Amino acid sequence: DAGVTQSPTHLIKTRGQQVTLRCSPKSGHDTVSWYQQALGQGPQFIFQYYEEEERQRGNFPDRFSGHQFPNYSSELNVNALLLGDSALYLCASSSPGQSYEQYFGPGTRLTVT
Amino acid sequence: GENVEQHPSTLSVQEGDSAVIKCTYSDSASNYFPWYKQELGKRPQLIIDIRSNVGEKKDQRIAVTLNKTAKHFSLHITETQPEDSAVYFCAASSTGFQKLVFGTGTRLLVSP
Repeated sequence: DAGVTQSPTHLIKTRGQQVTLRCSPKSGHDTVSWYQQALGQGPQFIFQYYEEEERQRGNFPDRFSGHQFPNYSSELNVNALLLGDSALYLCASSSPGQSYEQYFGPGTRLTVT
Repeated sequence: GENVEQHPSTLSVQEGDSAVIKCTYSDSASNYFPWYKQELGKRPQLIIDIRSNVGEKKDQRIAVTLNKTAKHFSLHITETQPEDSAVYFCAASSTGFQKLVFGTGTRLLVSP
């Protein structure tokens, strides 16, 4: 049973550029949440997608946007990258009808120079 | 807004000792409290969780206690082993499948 997968593993971008990160949820899960984890900090909630719609959003600017596809996979897009966007981006999947648990992917390490 | 405070930030123990990590949450609507273990360079992994209708839950060497009145919950690890060394995060959610608000983490070091 494949767990949550994310791509790419690492990414280096220049300030002002745009980036797209991808996530495939655990089999049987229909909800995807994105978190940003800065070095030495706890994950911070960005947003959550369910039925291809953004259901909840954290305190992140509109430069952060996302999408969920019919197969439940999801993308996180960040425009106009800032140095402060450098972080580990984690995707977590869940299925509210089954369990409260959120399963995390391995993350994408984004470095903005 | 919601906030979760976690203490201590670092914890060093000898193998075989017990370790306790404490968290306090601010949102009285919180009703789901998971604990995650994150090893260096790896994903957070759920080690135990508790819902607000339960005061204590135990899984082998790990236990979690919840005091809803005081808005406190704690992780207890007994008979610690070197492989328990990692960063531990507490989190809270107002409903289980909604956003998790994480604490700042506790770096646990278990020395042989």
